[in-house]
Amino acid sequence: AQTVTQSQPEMSVQEAETVTLSCTYDTSESDYYLFWYKQPPSRQMILVIRQEAYKQQNATENRFSVNFQKAAKSFSLKISDSQLGDAAMYFCAYKSRRGAQKLVFGQGTRLTINP
Amino acid sequence: EAGVVQSPRYKIIEKKQPVAFWCNPISGHNTLYWYLQNLGQGPELLIRYENEEAVDDSQLPKDRFSAERLKGVDSTLKIQPAELGDSAVYLCASSLSGQGKAFFGQGTRLTVV
Repeated sequence: AQTVTQSQPEMSVQEAETVTLSCTYDTSESDYYLFWYKQPPSRQMILVIRQEAYKQQNATENRFSVNFQKAAKSFSLKISDSQLGDAAMYFCAYKSRRGAQKLVFGQGTRLTINP
Repeated sequence: EAGVVQSPRYKIIEKKQPVAFWCNPISGHNTLYWYLQNLGQGPELLIRYENEEAVDDSQLPKDRFSAERLKGVDSTLKIQPAELGDSAVYLCASSLSGQGKAFFGQGTRLTVV
């Protein structure tokens, strides 16, 4: 079974600075997706960024980018120019492209932005 | 485009009472998920539907939980009877089959007293 681990329960960063959230996963599959979701106090999970495992190029979405290391099974999220609105729980998630089409989530990292 | 809609947003019930949650997925999304999220943890899958068929319900406690997705659109998740340990957030999500992205509703926060 696939597992996702986020080893940082909490992180904080100064507004306008850069922060990196860590995620590792375990799988025997070669074809899968990885995601970062943001969950603000409103509880709605918002997709931040997606990476397809067969793509070597790291995904980017405006101020959000990932460092995908397939061999190391590592998938970190970098947030540049942090804004107060970035404060939330961030979840790393894994999904097979074949077989079980369910999202497997990590435990989450609470990100605080200091003004 | 409307997102995933869940209701109610909050529910407080006494233990041993029944409760039901409703989810309306994004139009055209044939895959629907129900997730359970305990406080301070990541969501865990309860059940996944492909159209009206439950294709993964291995994590659903079938002695008290049930779900249905009639006509392959809206879905209802029921708990009967509720226990104190069922207090959590229940999230619904939908996606197109074969597409990686899943979109979530705002969830229902259940408190069992």
